[in-house]
Amino acid sequence: AQKVTQAQTEISVVEKEDVTLDCVYETRDTTYYLFWYKQPPSGELVFLIRRNSFDEQNEISGRYSWNFQKSTSSFNFTITASQVVDSAVYFCALSEEVSETSGSRLTFGEGTQLTVNP
Amino acid sequence: DTGVSQNPRHKITKRGQNVTFRCDPISEHNRLYWYRQTLGQGPEFLTYFQNEAQLEKSRLLSDRFSAERPKGSFSTLEIQRTEQGDSAMYLCASNKWGEQYFGPGTRLTVT
Repeated sequence: AQKVTQAQTEISVVEKEDVTLDCVYETRDTTYYLFWYKQPPSGELVFLIRRNSFDEQNEISGRYSWNFQKSTSSFNFTITASQVVDSAVYFCALSEEVSETSGSRLTFGEGTQLTVNP
Repeated sequence: DTGVSQNPRHKITKRGQNVTFRCDPISEHNRLYWYRQTLGQGPEFLTYFQNEAQLEKSRLLSDRFSAERPKGSFSTLEIQRTEQGDSAMYLCASNKWGEQYFGPGTRLTVT
């Protein structure tokens, strides 16, 4: 069975600080995909990144970066120079390889509430 | 706007009533998913459609829940005889390949 654990329930930082959100996953599949979504107070889930299990290269997009380590089953997310607009709940999610019967249904972690104070 | 849309955005109902929610996916997406999210939790998978076929249902989807996707376009989720435990945000998502795009959700409150 798949499982995603986000051990940090809440994180509070001051603007311009760097912050890392942790994500640990469990799966028996050799092919899988990892995701991060952002859920601002408005409630809509916003896609941030998708990574497949064969690509362990770290990725940077502006102030966002992701560190995928298969050896520790972790897919951590770092925001550099945080801003108040980054305040949201962030979810890490996992899906198996796409199949006819299950599509690519997502298993989500419980989320990390990030608050960036001015 | 060509994103996923959901209606209504909010629904308040009394225990025992039936409710129906609608999801309009992105037009070229043949896969559609329903999730439920309760306060302080991550979304949980409910059911999945490929075109008009409902291919997977979670154990969370009790007999009081039914979902349809006629003609493989929009989808509806109906809850019969609502209970207070059904209060949650119901999220719809769609994709063709790759990442799922989510709608704004329908927040259900059962009083």
